[in-house]
Parts: sequence; C-alpha cells; structure tokens
Amino acid sequence: EDQVTQSPEALRLQEGESSSLNCSYTVSGLRGLFWYRQDPGKGPEFLFTLYSAGEEKEKERLKATLTKKESFLHITAPKPEDSATYLCAVQFPYGGATNKLIFGTGTLLAVQP
Amino acid sequence: DVKVTQSSRYLVKRTGEKVFLECVQDMDHENMFWYRQDPGLGLRLIYFSYDVKMKEKGDIPEGYSVSREKKERFSLILESASTNQTSMYLCASRPSVVYKPGNTIYFGEGSWLTVV
Repeated sequence: EDQVTQSPEALRLQEGESSSLNCSYTVSGLRGLFWYRQDPGKGPEFLFTLYSAGEEKEKERLKATLTKKESFLHITAPKPEDSATYLCAVQFPYGGATNKLIFGTGTLLAVQP
Repeated sequence: DVKVTQSSRYLVKRTGEKVFLECVQDMDHENMFWYRQDPGLGLRLIYFSYDVKMKEKGDIPEGYSVSREKKERFSLILESASTNQTSMYLCASRPSVVYKPGNTIYFGEGSWLTVV
C-alpha cells in the first residue's frame, strides 16, 4: 500500500536551534512531493514542490530536499513564528485525471523563544 | 494569488440535518477537491471534480455527495449529518496541468462542522 510517513509527530525547538523534519514514502513513480505549512484553525499553505531526486528548494529559513525515498524540510535558526504543523504530500500517477495526492499526518513544530 | 473561499467557517448542525458546504475559487482551475481533516488521520479525500458536472469518489465518499454546476464552485453535501461527520472540511483547487512547476493544490481556510 502506498504510504506517506512523517516524523517526528511533534518537535519542540528553542529559537535558533536548527533541525529537520522527515517525510518518507513507499511508492515508485513519484510525480511530485509537496510541503505545506498549516497554522491552527486554517487551511494548509503551499511551501514547495519537488519533482526529482537531488532537487532542493529554499524559502527564508526553510530548505526542502528530495531523495528517491524521502524528503527533508530543514529549518535553520527557527523563530517562534515558524511554529505550525508541516504537512508533506506525495503525488502518484494514478489513472485518469486524478493524480492523487496522499498526505502524511504532519509534524507539529513548536519554537520557543 | 490563488484564492479559494469557503462560505462557512463554523457550523453547528443537528443529527439528520442536510448540510451544504460551499467553495469558490477565482483562478479558473479545472480540478476541485473536498478533504476532511481529523487529528491523527491527516487529510482524507472525500470527492473531487475535474470538470463541470464531473466528479469522482475519493477515499471516504460514504455519507457525502457533491455538486459542480459551474467551474468556479464546488459544493459538498451531507445528506443526513451524523456525529461522526464532525470534522474540519477543506476545499482545494488546482489547474489540470499538474506537472507544470508551481501547479499545486491550493486550499481554502476550512470549515469547522460540529454535528450534535
């Protein structure tokens, strides 16, 4: 069964303490991996798309990388405003117009001042 | 910027009521989706539509139906609400050319539904 697994489920960091979130997937034929940020009570906000192994994307303190089996979201010198749930989603080439996205359950990040 | 607007942020309905959740997108996207999000279960796809009047079931369609009469509008219908449908509902849209860089799914702010 195709699966997307995120770890850790929750992460508490001190302001300035860099770390990484992991998203692993068990399927071949990946058609894209997406990272989203979700604040409490709001919809997910798009961050990055990665399409092939070796690809990297950066935005402010965030950097996303992709290998053949997993993706990492690196957070450098985080600030309290980076606190949120980070979701990973993988797009598989199922038939028709679906191109289904499968989401992980997210990593809840808390950055303390 | 893409905007996906869900008409109701918070609703409280009684068991057995018919519930309509409305969603409108302003970017002329072909694909629209309805997800529900529950703690520990993540986002699960209920239904999606790839064109006007076209729909396909997602992973958890039971107890739900959808309507897409216009390209910009996608409605989720709970025919007879039950307490296990208490959840956050997220509408999303995406262009049909999925492999173009930047063409991802864009979400609305969510609708919190409580069924009592």
